[in-house]
Amino acid sequence: GAVVSQHPSRVICKSGTSVKIECRSLDFQATTMFWYRQFPKQSLMLMATSNEGSKATYEQGVEKDKFLINHASLTLSTLTVTSAHPEDSSFYICSARQGSYGYTFGSGTRLTVV
Amino acid sequence: DAKTTQPPSMDCAEGRAANLPCNHSTISGNEYVYWYRQIHSQGPQYIIHGLKNNETNEMASLIITEDRKSSTLILPHATLRDTAVYYCIVRVVKWGYGGSQGNLIFGKGTKLSVKP
Repeated sequence: GAVVSQHPSRVICKSGTSVKIECRSLDFQATTMFWYRQFPKQSLMLMATSNEGSKATYEQGVEKDKFLINHASLTLSTLTVTSAHPEDSSFYICSARQGSYGYTFGSGTRLTVV
Repeated sequence: DAKTTQPPSMDCAEGRAANLPCNHSTISGNEYVYWYRQIHSQGPQYIIHGLKNNETNEMASLIITEDRKSSTLILPHATLRDTAVYYCIVRVVKWGYGGSQGNLIFGKGTKLSVKP
């Protein structure tokens, strides 16, 4: 079946630094990937839609200059949290759409900013 | 996309069937019902989806009422590993270049606790 690999699974960074999270579709091509954020005891919130070869589409309230998304190939999308602060600590999850209906999710990245 | 309503939590005894309800009274004719689950600190896992016919796969069954205003996800023999938050999502499959478009919008889901 379709597999989406997300790396790293956990990262701790200092406040003010940047962190890059990778999302790869391992056995299929994904023209569109999605990035979600999940705070403790809350549901997933869609942050942005990543389109291969074009600019990402951000949801209302998500700062595009802070959360940089690059989707340079059909199998890789990256999310860079720039100038991270403790309030950016969260669980970040990517997903990719395969074929007509399927959405496969990565295993998530736990970001802790200290 | 139509909104969904799910109970916040449910308990189920191990080995028994777990029946998780979902209301989607404003669903439109071209909207599918998707079910995903999320085990703690993992990404969501696809379970099943359907349009109007009942569906069954190796994980679960999906029963959609005739008027499509509600559905039930059935885990026939729940195990402890089925403890998770279950999300019912309704969305349109929009056809465009490269296939379907659109994303999944998650509600609060139902926290299913399977107890020994």
